[in-house]
Amino acid sequence: QVQLVQSGPEVKKPGASVKVSCKASGYIFIDYGVSWIRQAPGQGLEWMGWISGHNGNKNYAQKFRGRLTVNTDTSTGTAYMELRSLRFDDTAVYFCVRDRELGANWFDSWGQGTLVTVSS
Amino acid sequence: FVLTQSPGTLSLSPGERASLSCRASQALTTNFLAWYQQRPGQAPRLLISHTSRRATGIPDRFSGSGSGTDFTLTIGRLEPEDFAVYYCQQYESSPTFGPGTKVDIK
Repeated sequence: QVQLVQSGPEVKKPGASVKVSCKASGYIFIDYGVSWIRQAPGQGLEWMGWISGHNGNKNYAQKFRGRLTVNTDTSTGTAYMELRSLRFDDTAVYFCVRDRELGANWFDSWGQGTLVTVSS
Repeated sequence: FVLTQSPGTLSLSPGERASLSCRASQALTTNFLAWYQQRPGQAPRLLISHTSRRATGIPDRFSGSGSGTDFTLTIGRLEPEDFAVYYCQQYESSPTFGPGTKVDIK
């Protein structure tokens, strides 16, 4: 079955960077894309960016351009999300999700989420 | 695209029918709209894509409909596990989500 397993919780100081990994299994990685979505405590869902598993094409939400990088390692079927210059309001659960190969669309499998806490 | 959902909270009893609304700020010409369910402490789960296409393993008491700017998720008869938060999401352009509707037990 499709599984996305994310790395563990992180605590970071303001201004630092965080990198979250997402190991995919149960499907052909290069036939799909991966999106990243976050959810602040008690809040709704926010799409951050997408990457093609096939050719590495990327698309970022305007809000995160310049501060967000998404990558993949097709040899291991792993996706990565790095967010820089962290602020207090970046505290959230970050989800990786399986997406379409041609662009950000609908999300049919979700990782378990990674809590990133930004605290001084 | 800004999505608004109503009501914010829907209080119903098991066995009742639930109707959740999602309205888009401009018409979705492609009907590229999805619905997700999120239970407390869990990741969201895809219910519906393309306005009305049930995802694999989703019971047929869940159905989606609509077009243009107005979309609806209907839950035919509420089961205990259906009490959760529901989000709509458009993917005609860069994905955006609605703020969610909480379905709780009356």
